[in-house]
Amino acid sequence: DTAVSQTPKYLVTQMGNDKSIKCEQNLGHDTMYWYKQDSKKFLKIMFSYNNKELIINETVPNRFSPKSPDKAHLNLHINSLELGDSAVYFCASSPSGRMNTEAFFGQGTRLTVV
Amino acid sequence: SQQGEEDPQALSIQEGENATMNCSYKTSINNLQWYRQNSGRGLVHLILIRSNEREKHSGRLRVTLDTSKKSSSLLITASRAADTASYFCATDPNFGNEKLTFGTGTRLTIIP
Repeated sequence: DTAVSQTPKYLVTQMGNDKSIKCEQNLGHDTMYWYKQDSKKFLKIMFSYNNKELIINETVPNRFSPKSPDKAHLNLHINSLELGDSAVYFCASSPSGRMNTEAFFGQGTRLTVV
Repeated sequence: SQQGEEDPQALSIQEGENATMNCSYKTSINNLQWYRQNSGRGLVHLILIRSNEREKHSGRLRVTLDTSKKSSSLLITASRAADTASYFCATDPNFGNEKLTFGTGTRLTIIP
């Protein structure tokens, strides 16, 4: 029954590896997001998609590539992982429109690059 | 750039007391939202206040918005141990693409 689900919850990997994080929402929302939360708990938007179309790309290195096969899924692929990529990554979704309703967040994926 | 700044960064109070957190932002907004994050978990939406509203209530929560000062406050009355969490304000600017920009958060600890 989870509204927004992310997998995996934890990810530990070595520098230079490529990894993916998957996100699925069963709320029927049109818009999905990826946020990054750093060690100081600061949340920053990375990407947003609306109906599978990229809307926002907030100056994220092109090692990060989101993919939306359909409007219920937004996956995040990261190439050549770096130590600074260690963070918690959150997927979120909301109905389309001017964010006049709440965003629903997944539980987060804690990525640790060693 | 970071939109919201929350104040205080951390707050500890006794159970039963009221907790007040403040949020300041920089640009004009469509709405402002407050979220709670329990340790190791995702964010949960608490309340949304639109730019033409000044005050909103939801259970033990009271939110105010002053667009002239670009600030908002979240009041939690009769706090409980379960209210221990980080609280974030988030703004949706009324220009550009829709997105939520989060503040720095207030870490609230309720002492039983």
